[in-house]
Amino acid sequence: QSVLTQPPSASGTPGQRVTISCSGSSSNIGSNYLYWYQQLPGTAPKLLIYRNNQRPSGVPDRFSGSKSGTSASLAISGLRSEDEADYYCAAWDDSLIGVVFGGGTKLNVL
Amino acid sequence: EAHLLESGGGLVPPGGSLRLSCAASGFTFSSSAMSWVRQAPGKGLEWVSSISGTGGSTFYADSVKGRFTISRDSSKNTLYLQMNSLRAEDTAVYHCAKEIWFEYWGQGTLVTVSS
Repeated sequence: QSVLTQPPSASGTPGQRVTISCSGSSSNIGSNYLYWYQQLPGTAPKLLIYRNNQRPSGVPDRFSGSKSGTSASLAISGLRSEDEADYYCAAWDDSLIGVVFGGGTKLNVL
Repeated sequence: EAHLLESGGGLVPPGGSLRLSCAASGFTFSSSAMSWVRQAPGKGLEWVSSISGTGGSTFYADSVKGRFTISRDSSKNTLYLQMNSLRAEDTAVYHCAKEIWFEYWGQGTLVTVSS
């Protein structure tokens, strides 16, 4: 059971907009930055969004992050086949004194 | 750009020990916190441990506390993870990552704990 809660799967068709949610508590998302990672099949994870809504250089602006209270979401617009991957959220947890991850969401592009 | 290369994984019996290494390049290693994150086969990501840039502060997941030790050698730009009293549930690919927010990741090294 992960500390952060994500839906196990999401899907969309090319061109659509998809959102993935991440729910936590006051000790993690509620008081610290939220990060998103993309893991393409057979590869290492890659930082996708940092500090709630910032994109690293090279990440397309089709990807956006938002946070409100103890929840956050990742939005992917103009869905493409190459977006098919596992997506994870993560945050520092002040109570556990460590980083906590969501269980991951497998995105299928139909 | 940062480059991280892990090594030291392998097959080890339950109760055994293993030391992982992560060679870093492309950034100022001594100024960067570093972390280890693992992924069991077919499972999600699990944070294992982090260490500050100076090495003065370390943090561990409860699942490894007292068994694993994170350290670094800035003269060699290398991060380490000493793993003792290994259990079957420690079987995973272990990734090193730059910073506590995992800015860059290595490809990982597989650790298999089995008799």
